[in-house]
Amino acid sequence: SAVISQKPSRDICQRGTSLTIQCQVDSQVTMMFWYRQQPGQSLTLIATANQGSEATYESGFVIDKFPISRPNLTFSTLTVSNMSPEDSSIYLCSVVVQGNQETQYFGPGTRLLVL
Amino acid sequence: AQSVTQLDSQVPVFEEAPVELRCNYSSSVSVYLFWYVQYPNQGLQLLLKYLSGSTLVKGINGFEAEFNKSQTSFHLRKPSVHISDTAEYFCAVTLYNQGGKLIFGQGTELSVKP
Repeated sequence: SAVISQKPSRDICQRGTSLTIQCQVDSQVTMMFWYRQQPGQSLTLIATANQGSEATYESGFVIDKFPISRPNLTFSTLTVSNMSPEDSSIYLCSVVVQGNQETQYFGPGTRLLVL
Repeated sequence: AQSVTQLDSQVPVFEEAPVELRCNYSSSVSVYLFWYVQYPNQGLQLLLKYLSGSTLVKGINGFEAEFNKSQTSFHLRKPSVHISDTAEYFCAVTLYNQGGKLIFGQGTELSVKP
C-alpha cells in the first residue's frame, strides 16, 4: 500500500473564495485520482490527475471549477474554485501503487464546509 | 454502462451476530471488485478485493466476500461483528480497461449495537 496525506484535513470557507487541497504520497504511484463525497452520499470521481499534463475530467466536472495539477509522481493538488455551499463535501485523493495496478488506496480526505 | 447496487442502505445488528452486506453489479465486461470501509470522520480503507482465482476472498478484520459471476454479486460477510465494526461500507468495481476508475455503490451503514 502507500501512506497518503492530505492538507488541509478540514476547512470552513466563504462562498466565492477558492481552496487548494494537497495530496502527498510516500511512494511512487502510477495513477492519482480525485473524488468527491457529498454529505451522506457515495464517492464520485472528479478527475484523473495526469503527471505533467492536463487532468482527465469526468462528466459534470470542468477544469475551470476544479483545476488539478500533478507536477511529479507523488504530489497533486485540487483547487475548488469560486465556492458555493453546494461544494461542501469531503474531497479524497486516491492512488494506484506501482506493482499493484488494480487497487486504489485513499487518503484521509479533506472536509470542506462552504458558508 | 456499469453500475453497483448495494441493496441495503442501513443494517442494524447486535454485537456478536453474523452480518451480510449485499452488493450487485452490472457490467458487460469483466471487472475487479472491492469492498472499502469508512469509519466516522475518516477516509476509505480497503477491506478486501477480488481480482481473479478463488471466488472466496478474505480480508482484514475478519471480513470475507464471495464473488458469484452468475448472480453478479459480491456480498460481504462476517460471522461475528463487534461494536468497532460500526461504519459505512462501500462496494466498488473497476473495469479491466478503464484505467483504474472506481464505480461505487451507495454505501451501507452498518450499526452494531451492544
